[in-house]
Amino acid sequence: DAGVTQSPTHLIKTRGQQVTLRCSPISGHKSVSWYQQVLGQGPQFIFQYYEKEERGRGNFPDRFSARQFPNYSSELNVNALLLGDSALYLCASSSRQGTYEQYFGPGTRLTVT
Amino acid sequence: AQSVTQLDSHVSVSEGTPVLLRCNYSSSYSPSLFWYVQHPNKGLQLLLKYTSAATLVKGINGFEAEFKKSETSFHLTKPSAHMSDAAEYFCVVSDTDGTYKYIFGTGTRLKVLA
Repeated sequence: DAGVTQSPTHLIKTRGQQVTLRCSPISGHKSVSWYQQVLGQGPQFIFQYYEKEERGRGNFPDRFSARQFPNYSSELNVNALLLGDSALYLCASSSRQGTYEQYFGPGTRLTVT
Repeated sequence: AQSVTQLDSHVSVSEGTPVLLRCNYSSSYSPSLFWYVQHPNKGLQLLLKYTSAATLVKGINGFEAEFKKSETSFHLTKPSAHMSDAAEYFCVVSDTDGTYKYIFGTGTRLKVLA
């Protein structure tokens, strides 16, 4: 079975632009979480979605938004990009909310110039 | 609030010698704890997990960790380091706010010397 997939792998954006990152969970997994990993730090929680509803949000500004589709894939949107948004964005899926184990995708490396 | 503290930002060992990566946790409840490994430009791979079963947890690639409640520790060990073990290691606690979101430590970079 395929693992968690993310697209694109890398992208470069300019300050002020908007970006959309995509994630497909493991087949059968209904929960998707997003994390931001700034270089040299541990990942920080951004969002969790389960059954297409937001179930958790980390300490990130409203410029960050996400959604989950009926097929359980998910998009993370970031508006008005700042240099500080440059990071590796990780998507993780789990079979259901309340399941401890999360499986991570390879991440999307976003560079804001 | 749940948190984990990784006590060493960098650890260097010689190939074939033991590995010890230290992690202390803070939790109001019986925690769920994990160790993940991240190789350069790669995603995170689960090494092992503790979810209130046996206190000595065995993981992949010869790694194991022992949950010690009295010391609030969950240290990661391996008897003999291999060059391929060089990577960043994260200790993680699962939050108890209903989301079970992960709270990561700051990471330990393991260097294996030939």
